[in-house]
Amino acid sequence: GQNIDQPTEMTATEGAIVQINCTYQTSGFNGLFWYQQHAGEAPTFLSYNVLDGLEEKGRFSSFLSRSKGYSYLLLKELQMKDSASYLCAVESGSARQLTFGSGTQLTVLP
Amino acid sequence: DGGITQSPKYLFRKEGQNVTLSCEQNLNHDAMYWYRQDPGQGLRLIYYSQIVNDFQKGDIAEGYSVSREKKESFPLTVTSAQKNPTAFYLCASSTSTGGGYGYTFGSGTRLTVV
Repeated sequence: GQNIDQPTEMTATEGAIVQINCTYQTSGFNGLFWYQQHAGEAPTFLSYNVLDGLEEKGRFSSFLSRSKGYSYLLLKELQMKDSASYLCAVESGSARQLTFGSGTQLTVLP
Repeated sequence: DGGITQSPKYLFRKEGQNVTLSCEQNLNHDAMYWYRQDPGQGLRLIYYSQIVNDFQKGDIAEGYSVSREKKESFPLTVTSAQKNPTAFYLCASSTSTGGGYGYTFGSGTRLTVV
């Protein structure tokens, strides 16, 4: 089975940096994804890690350690619009479906 | 433009009634998925289909049924056997090789039991 853990809530200040952690236990790991989801909307793709290391994409970076079953999403220069839920998801198995964590609700304060 | 369409956006159902949620895609994707999301929770997989006329149960299939008669369509029926159907339902599709990296989500259907 799959087990994905991430913090339920985080709060940060506009302009700051925040790191959202995700730990997972899975079989047949193919890759790890981060999605952003605003309330009542569909998730939108942020990043994808399949190999160990850091992937950088503008203000967002994501890190993966497969041996530790650990990933983090780093958000820099926080903006108010970054207030949203951030979902960690693991792709596994031959069907390559995604299993999602419960999400981390990030609140950015002025 | 290609995309994935879910309808309706909001749906109300009386207890004991079956209801069908529509999901249509014109992306020529082979795989389609249904997820359920409860408030403050992540997405949980209900059913998925990798090819026409074939589908597999996900983690929470009880009380739901699906069909995949056409490549572009993957309707989800919420039956009266589903005891707590009020939730946000998301449909997604992907290429057969793209897996999660090729996921496209619909805009979701919010189902409320009244």
